[in-house]
Amino acid sequence: GESVGLHLPTLSVQEGDNSIINCAYSNSASDYFIWYKQESGKGPQFIIDIRSNMDKRQGQRVTVLLNKTVKHLSLQIAATQPGDSAVYFCAENISPGGANNLFFGTGTRLTVIP
Amino acid sequence: EPEVTQTPSHQVTQMGQEVILRCVPISNHLYFYWYRQILGQKVEFLVSFYNNEISEKSEIFDDQFSVERPDGSNFTLKIRSTKLEDSAMYFCASSERVQDQPQHFGDGTRLSIL
Repeated sequence: GESVGLHLPTLSVQEGDNSIINCAYSNSASDYFIWYKQESGKGPQFIIDIRSNMDKRQGQRVTVLLNKTVKHLSLQIAATQPGDSAVYFCAENISPGGANNLFFGTGTRLTVIP
Repeated sequence: EPEVTQTPSHQVTQMGQEVILRCVPISNHLYFYWYRQILGQKVEFLVSFYNNEISEKSEIFDDQFSVERPDGSNFTLKIRSTKLEDSAMYFCASSERVQDQPQHFGDGTRLSIL
């Protein structure tokens, strides 16, 4: 039979433009968040993380913003390249103070148009 | 750059059989994890492991599942009496510490139950 899967939100951007991927997280007690990139046939690849005592963190071409008031996380990718095409997941630590078990969001498929 | 390696990349098994999925975590990491991703769905936490014992496990990780670190390098997931619904990608991850440290994932084992 046909399997039921998630309808991934999708984002298409022109090469060279900036991308913003959004994520709403569920647990107000979560204190650590990670963005992962997943290419087809591969495992989640770490991009950037942020702790709850910060509201912004920058990496190479990427910036993560955290708004704890509305439980929202975003990933900004500057000068998006074709190699950035992938599914992007936010993940939250659902066991603050305990084991670092991650709860993954639905994911957003980013397509970069050359 | 050190990485998590998983074998086999694809495992096909008859329903009711036992399978063992293997992982070699990053060498200086102390915390190990298994996740699964059913086709088209979210990545789901199964179990975390530290100091030769399970730290936490999800509802998915029932008596059918077990984990083991048989030597200083391997970390295995055993699934007994496999069912059709066990078909999924299984990802191993490791982290250096438990708190506020990103988990690094392998590329997964695709398990197909016939």
